[in-house]
Amino acid sequence: SYVLTQPPSVSVAPGETARITCGGNNIGSRSVHWYQQKPGQAPVLVIFYDTDRPSGIPERISGSNSGNTATLTITRVEAGDEADYHCQLWDSSADHVVFGGGTKLTVL
Amino acid sequence: QVTLRESGPALVKPTQTLTLTCSFSGFSLTTSGMCVNWIRQSPGKALEWLARIDWDDDEYYATSLKTRLTVSKDTSKNQVVLTMTNMDPVDTATYYCARFSPLSNGGHSEAFDIWGQGTVVTVSS
Repeated sequence: SYVLTQPPSVSVAPGETARITCGGNNIGSRSVHWYQQKPGQAPVLVIFYDTDRPSGIPERISGSNSGNTATLTITRVEAGDEADYHCQLWDSSADHVVFGGGTKLTVL
Repeated sequence: QVTLRESGPALVKPTQTLTLTCSFSGFSLTTSGMCVNWIRQSPGKALEWLARIDWDDDEYYATSLKTRLTVSKDTSKNQVVLTMTNMDPVDTATYYCARFSPLSNGGHSEAFDIWGQGTVVTVSS
């Protein structure tokens, strides 16, 4: 089955840029979606179809996907960005949703 | 406004069957391309997809849990029901329902655009 690999944690200082990766075999040929989850809350969609932002999501949050890595980028990081971030895709060969293991973003 | 809300028992005993209900508003599961999924998250762990039911009654299940899961819908009540048999302490988790919405080309999105708040289920004797 298809596997998505995320780093367990990423740390960044306020105002800096955070990059959270999601690795998978030829993931660039698939569509990747990203969720932000704060403690005690349900996940919230922040990027869909690699690069699209739902309404209400700031332009500081962006996505890219190429080769074997999809990346969620958060510029000008704020304390409020501290959360777990999950990547996800639909594996059409198995008719399954696949999630990455999640990455905890810490704002120093 | 689109909302989903999970409900069910907070505590079940090992070997019992869990029944969870996802009640939704603001959309209809009779709309072409609409899908409702179940996802869970054990404490401190990753999200785990469980099942999906579509507007056209197609059903999909996680391979590892397929024999224990059944998903069904009642469109008149705007509800989706998940049953999980033979519950075990490792099934202790927060259970969410979430939507795939239709695309303009007639298919459905593969991103969960709206989630319920989740319901916590503990399996213990």
